[in-house]
Amino acid sequence: DIQMTQSPSSVSASVGDRVTITCRASQDIASWLAWYQQKPGKAPKLLIFASSSLESGVPSRFSGRGSATHFTLTINDLQPEDFATYYCQQAHSFPVTFGGGTKVEIK
Amino acid sequence: EVQVVESGGGLVKPGGSLRLSCAASGFTLRSYSMNWVRQAPGKGLEWVSSISSSGTYIYYADSVKARFTISRDDTKNSLYLQMNSLRVEDTAVYFCARDERGDGFDVWGQGTIVTVSS
Repeated sequence: DIQMTQSPSSVSASVGDRVTITCRASQDIASWLAWYQQKPGKAPKLLIFASSSLESGVPSRFSGRGSATHFTLTINDLQPEDFATYYCQQAHSFPVTFGGGTKVEIK
Repeated sequence: EVQVVESGGGLVKPGGSLRLSCAASGFTLRSYSMNWVRQAPGKGLEWVSSISSSGTYIYYADSVKARFTISRDDTKNSLYLQMNSLRVEDTAVYFCARDERGDGFDVWGQGTIVTVSS
């Protein structure tokens, strides 16, 4: 199974900051990586697919990059509605696996 | 509007069974791969099972293999998860999710809560 490791597990930031979350895969997954945002009590929301493609309707302050085993999600100009937990997910092969999550908290 | 709505969750004793349903609207279920993903209280996301658009390919997480069965009824545009031999560790919110392109789950339901407890 492909292990997905996210870091940090939590980050404190202020409105207007830039936040970068890292996701590492235990083996080469090319660009088969997605990023999700989840708020408490809600379903996850797809932000990024294929490592760097922005899902329709997602603000352009979200961006993803990377390939093979190293990926990043960057949130520029952090907004109040961005405080949430973020997950990466590999779509390269079954079993599908998620990272452990990164909680973005208000400083 | 494209959406999926889960139902069928509840409280069940260890060893019991439960059948979850996921009703799709705004799109044809058989045109997409569909998935079940769960989230234990206070924990992260765990993929449970997938069924391909053709129904030919079915996959399960090791943690549920031989206990859970994913299926689909195209006449009802619905997805199902039959859960047998339930364990305390199966307690979670279960989400139904659509996989549009094979590279991310783009439509999620609100989830249905399964509690396994004596």
